[in-house]
Amino acid sequence: EVELVESGGGLVQPGGSLRLSCAASGFTFSNYWMTWVRQAPGKGLEWVANIKQDGNQKFYVDSLKGRFTISRDNAENSLYLQMNSLRAEDTAVYYCARDHTIQTNWYFDLWGRGTLVTVSS
Amino acid sequence: EIVLTQSPATLSLSPGERATLSCRASQSISIYLGWYQQKPGQSPRLLIYDASNRATGIPARFSGSGSGTDFTLTISSLEPEDFAFYYCQHRYNWAMSFGQGTRLEIK
Repeated sequence: EVELVESGGGLVQPGGSLRLSCAASGFTFSNYWMTWVRQAPGKGLEWVANIKQDGNQKFYVDSLKGRFTISRDNAENSLYLQMNSLRAEDTAVYYCARDHTIQTNWYFDLWGRGTLVTVSS
Repeated sequence: EIVLTQSPATLSLSPGERATLSCRASQSISIYLGWYQQKPGQSPRLLIYDASNRATGIPARFSGSGSGTDFTLTISSLEPEDFAFYYCQHRYNWAMSFGQGTRLEIK
């Protein structure tokens, strides 16, 4: 079955760190751009970061540069998001998603169910 | 940074009616715009890419149009399962962002 499964979310104190993972299965993970998108409770979608197939190009939303780092391990079919210096406003469901073609399109047609990150003391 | 503004914020219609959702970009993005549907408690679903191309498995009642700064998602005849949130998304100049969303609700 083709799917993405996020993990690693939870409750973290302000200023803390968390590493999210996304396990891919059922497709050739190394062929696709991947993305992290988040959604605060009751709010809309916010793009976080994208990473190229080989991991050599990474792009971030300006507001998160320097605090969040996207990475991937193609041998493990896994995508990661390292989140540092977390703030209350980072509280959200974090989704990983796959580009809908093996070209560079940046439209995403396969999504995980998301993992909830709550930043609170 | 390109800002996408969706209108209306809420659209109230009945099944069988035609829905027209708008998305305006703060600068020209050519045709690099997609549309997603999201139902409560679910992940987003890609409907349209590059302004007018339906994604795999998307019914023909969904169509997209536009270029430059003004884009439209049209649902020709609403089915009960179409009542949801809709987001536009651009991908331009190695960045992405989403509009704030339109809630399509049953009248």
